Amino acid sequence: LAKTTQPISMDSYEGQEVNITCSHNNIATNDYITWYQQFPSQGPRFIIQGYKTKVTNEVASLFIPADRKSSTLSLPRVSLSDTAVYYCLVGDKFSGGYNKLIFGAGTRLAVHP
Amino acid sequence: GAGVSQSPSNKVTEKGKDVELRCDPISGHTALYWYRQRLGQGLEFLIYFQGNSAPDKSGLPSDRFSAERTGESVSTLTIQRTQQEDSAVYLCASRGQGYTEAFFGQGTRLTVV
Repeated sequence: LAKTTQPISMDSYEGQEVNITCSHNNIATNDYITWYQQFPSQGPRFIIQGYKTKVTNEVASLFIPADRKSSTLSLPRVSLSDTAVYYCLVGDKFSGGYNKLIFGAGTRLAVHP
Repeated sequence: GAGVSQSPSNKVTEKGKDVELRCDPISGHTALYWYRQRLGQGLEFLIYFQGNSAPDKSGLPSDRFSAERTGESVSTLTIQRTQQEDSAVYLCASRGQGYTEAFFGQGTRLTVV
């Protein structure tokens, strides 16, 4: 499984764009990049997944360069409610139909007024 | 059900006692995962099930921990002879075959006194 590296913590202010970068130098050809968000006292929830280039949904955008050795989760105009831990996962979603979901330490984002 | 359900939501037990934690996954989800999360820490992978089989038990911390799944549905995580270091939130997640997103329950907060 590809190892991921993320910043331990980040601070931002309401209304700003936040970019969280994840490094995954050993990503395999069949691996996808997935991000989850976890609020205090809750289980993680899926945010976005991508394979290459750019993916956008109603919550975030995911930018993946051509070499796929890193990815950047972009949160537009954050609010206080975006304060959470964000996890980057890399794995083959089709491997045997299921792959281990290995979470790293994540990035603790604090949004300030 | 509508989501992943875990019970009990909270459990306080005396050191040395056995505990059983239950997870009811989303109906039809064939993959099921157990994690442990200590206060302020990331998710520690314990075990996952593919149907009723557990291809990977490498995350179980010791032989005091065991898990089973029946009917490709409910799963039970059992901790024997609990120790204080077992105190944590135990999270369960399920995922449908070939689907991207894993859905988490709210967790069971275990306190060993």
